[in-house]
Amino acid sequence: NAGVTQTPKFRVLKTGQSMTLLCAQDMNHEYMYWYRQDPGMGLRLIHYSVGEGTTAKGEVPDGYNVSRLKKQNFLLGLESAAPSQTSVYFCASMTDRNNQPQHFGDGTRLSIL
Amino acid sequence: QKEVEQDPGPLSVPEGAIVSLNCTYSNSAFQYFMWYRQYSRKGPELLMYTYSSGNKEDGRFTAQVDKSSKYISLFIRDSQPSDSATYLCAMRGSGGYQKVTFGTGTKLQVIP
Repeated sequence: NAGVTQTPKFRVLKTGQSMTLLCAQDMNHEYMYWYRQDPGMGLRLIHYSVGEGTTAKGEVPDGYNVSRLKKQNFLLGLESAAPSQTSVYFCASMTDRNNQPQHFGDGTRLSIL
Repeated sequence: QKEVEQDPGPLSVPEGAIVSLNCTYSNSAFQYFMWYRQYSRKGPELLMYTYSSGNKEDGRFTAQVDKSSKYISLFIRDSQPSDSATYLCAMRGSGGYQKVTFGTGTKLQVIP
């Protein structure tokens, strides 16, 4: 039982390049989330999904897009990377049974040069 | 003002000490309170999960919630070097989908 798996673990991009971060969970959770974590800022929600085929904006969605084509996968895309998007990105999932906590992956460290 | 305030530390204690970590919050709708432990270069790992006011104990860890004061605490007894990590508090409302709000984390170092 792997839980929440994020790929890649580390990536360096040049400004303007695009890439996709993949999150996969094997717990049959309905809810999935993408956060970014920056020093002194804590975890900030980028986008989330409450089920397959649905997505919604979090508190810092600009510059990112997401897709949830399959229940177990949640993709985060950067269309044109900017240095301000240098961060550690975490994916989390949660069951839709009421009042359960989130489970996190180990993160993707992304540097934009 | 942030919805959740947490002292970033760092907090440095000798092995065996009792550690107290705290968060304050402003949103009275929060009903569920969590503590996550995050080791360097790892994701947050759920440590404690409590509902409403009261205490919850799990081994060396005790979580306390005082909703009247909007204050939550995590106590670690007999602290070990392996407890060295960043501790994040988190909280959410009840019913349906509720956004989770995180503190910025307190970095703890336990010195052998």
